Amino acid sequence: DVKVTQSSRYLVKRTGEKVFLECVQDMDHENMFWYRQDPGLGLRLIYFSYDVKMKEKGDIPEGYSVSREKKERFSLILESASTNQTSMYLCASRSSGGVPEAFFGQGTRLTVV
Amino acid sequence: GDSVTQMEGPVTLSEEAFLTINCTYTATGYPSLFWYVQYPGEGLQLLLKATKADDKGSNKGFEATYRKETTSFHLEKGSVQVSDSAVYFCALRRTNAGKSTFGDGTTLTVKP
Repeated sequence: DVKVTQSSRYLVKRTGEKVFLECVQDMDHENMFWYRQDPGLGLRLIYFSYDVKMKEKGDIPEGYSVSREKKERFSLILESASTNQTSMYLCASRSSGGVPEAFFGQGTRLTVV
Repeated sequence: GDSVTQMEGPVTLSEEAFLTINCTYTATGYPSLFWYVQYPGEGLQLLLKATKADDKGSNKGFEATYRKETTSFHLEKGSVQVSDSAVYFCALRRTNAGKSTFGDGTTLTVKP
């Protein structure tokens, strides 16, 4: 069974902390994505990566960075967490071939206090 | 740029009612179209897809037809169940594009 695993389901962090959200996929996919999901705003793309050590900004990259040192792992970093980064974060992966769908993790509900 | 517009929710139906969730898109070329579903507390999962005009995607009693002339991909189900309560996202991806474009999601609640 294919899987995208996010390291935490729920996370509470303090303002100003550095926060790491981890995502691992076991499908050997080239492409990986980080989205945030907020009520009324749908899914917004933060960053994506199409290969190891490669990254592209999405629609809302400000306040975030990413790291992809290995093909199966894609990390989202909040350099200095702020309350407006309280959200649901979703990781996804997708193969480059054919017309594949994306596979999503279960999400991390981050609360910044 | 690419965009996806979904019917606004929330949508509340009684069990066994007919469901339609409208989705229209704007994109250059010939994108592939998707419906994803998000059950409470979970991530998104693919419900169905279509890759070219007039294709019909279907799964779990849900259907959607790729209509190039109206740039639409409306989701339908003939008889909904309580277990269909979820958020439904319409999405597109142009061939060779790195990222997908999602609609804002439509929340469906089915009451017994």
